[in-house]
Amino acid sequence: AQSVAQPEDQVNVAEGNPLTVKCTYSVSGNPYLFWYVQYPNRGLQFLLKYITGDNLVKGSYGFEAEFNKSQTSFHLKKPSALVSDSALYFCAVRDMDSNSGYALNFGKGTSLLVTP
Amino acid sequence: GAGVSQTPSNKVTEKGKYVELRCDPISGHTALYWYRQSLGQGPEFLIYFQGTGAADDSGLPNDRFFAVRPEGSVSTLKIQRTERGDSAVYLCASSLNGGYSGNTIYFGEGSWLTVV
Repeated sequence: AQSVAQPEDQVNVAEGNPLTVKCTYSVSGNPYLFWYVQYPNRGLQFLLKYITGDNLVKGSYGFEAEFNKSQTSFHLKKPSALVSDSALYFCAVRDMDSNSGYALNFGKGTSLLVTP
Repeated sequence: GAGVSQTPSNKVTEKGKYVELRCDPISGHTALYWYRQSLGQGPEFLIYFQGTGAADDSGLPNDRFFAVRPEGSVSTLKIQRTERGDSAVYLCASSLNGGYSGNTIYFGEGSWLTVV
C-alpha cells in the first residue's frame, strides 16, 4: 500500500521569509513523488517531481523539494515567500513497484498563507 | 489543445438524475485519469485509461459510476442515479505515457458537480 501524510493543515509565513510544507510517504518499493498547487476554485497545477537522481529537485515559481529516503520525506521549500504563493499544496506519491496500481495517491493538502 | 479540458465546469442536478462529465486530454497523451475531490480533501483516484481500455478502475465507488474512452482520446465519466454524496469536483488528468512511469500527470480545471 502507498500513502502520503501532510501533517500540517495550515502553514503561516510572513512575506520574504522561507517556507516549508512537510510531506512524508509510505510505499513498498521506491517512490515517484510530486507536488501540486491548487488556487481557489481551480484545478491542480504541477510544481515539481522526484523520479530519480539528485535528491534536491527544483521546480516552478522558485519552489524546490528534497527527497530524503531515510526519513521518507519530500518537504517543499522556498527561500523567500510571496503573498501570491498563498494556496493549497498537495504532495502525491506513486510506487514504482508494479504491483501497487496506477494511482497517484495524494495527501489531504496543506493550506499556505503568506501575509504581507 | 494546450491543456486538459473539462466540460461542464459546473453542473447542478437533482438527486436520482443521470450525469455525464467530459474530458479532453492533452493531445498525444495516451494515459487518462479521473479523480474526485471532496471539500477539504485531496483528490481520490477513480479510474485510469491506457489508450481505449480501463487499465485500473479500482477507485470507482460503486456500479453507478462508469467511464469510457472509445477512441483513446476524449473520455466521459457517467454517473447514474446521482446521490447527494456524489457532490464533489471531478478532476480529469492526462500524461504522455501511463503505466509505472514517472511521467508528469497534468490536471484539468475540474467539473464541479452539485446534487440537490
